[in-house]
Amino acid sequence: QKEVEQNSGPLSVPEGAIASLNCTYSDRVSQSFFWYRQYSGKSPELIMSIYSNGDKEDGRFTAQLNKASQYVSLLIRDSQPSDSATYLCAATDFYNQGGKLIFGQGTELSVKP
Amino acid sequence: DTEVTQTPKHLVMGMTNKKSLKCEQHMGHRAMYWYKQKAKKPPELMFVYSYEKLSINESVPSRFSPECPNSSLLNLHLHALQPEDSALYLCASSPQAGTDEQYFGPGTRLTVT
Repeated sequence: QKEVEQNSGPLSVPEGAIASLNCTYSDRVSQSFFWYRQYSGKSPELIMSIYSNGDKEDGRFTAQLNKASQYVSLLIRDSQPSDSATYLCAATDFYNQGGKLIFGQGTELSVKP
Repeated sequence: DTEVTQTPKHLVMGMTNKKSLKCEQHMGHRAMYWYKQKAKKPPELMFVYSYEKLSINESVPSRFSPECPNSSLLNLHLHALQPEDSALYLCASSPQAGTDEQYFGPGTRLTVT
C-alpha cells in the first residue's frame, strides 16, 4: 500500500453540488494531514489542515479524519466552477520528523456550470 | 500574511550554465523546503532546512546545491543540469520542521535546453 492514496479522478460534479474527495493512508505516516488545492500551472495552496479525529469546517470546506479506518476526506459544499483544480492530500512522514510531506497523486476536480 | 516569494518566475538555461533560484519569506518561519514538481505529479521533496541548517537531503544529485544564507532566504544553485531536470521548482516554509503546515511560493518554471 502506498503511504497516501487518492483516486486520480477526474471527479466531475455539477455546480452547487457537494464534491467529496477521499484519501487513505498507511501506518507509515503521522497524524497530521493537509489538503492543498493546485490550479493548473500554479503552486499548491493550503486549504485545510486536520490533526485530530472528527470534522473540521472552514467556510464551504469540511475536512474529516477517521483514524480507525485510516482515511481523510475533504467535502466542498456548493461547488463552484472556480473550485475546478487538482486537490492534493498530504501527510507528514511518521518516521522522519524533519517535516517531510508525503503527497497522494492528487484528484482532479471539475465543476460543471 | 502567509506569503513566500520566489524569483525568477521562469528560467531557461543551457546544460552548461550556472544559475540560482531564490526564495524569501518574512513570516518568521524556521523551516524552509525545496520541492520539484513534474507535470501531473505531486511535489517531490528535495531539501529541508531547519534553523538554517540542512536537515534533509533526499539524495538529490550534486548539480543541485542548496544554501540558506539566513532565516528568511533560501537559494538553490543549479549547475550542469540535464533536460530531465526541467520542472516547476517550489519553495515552502513552515513555523517548524515537523508537523506544521507548509506554505508554498509561486514556483520557478525551469526549462533546461
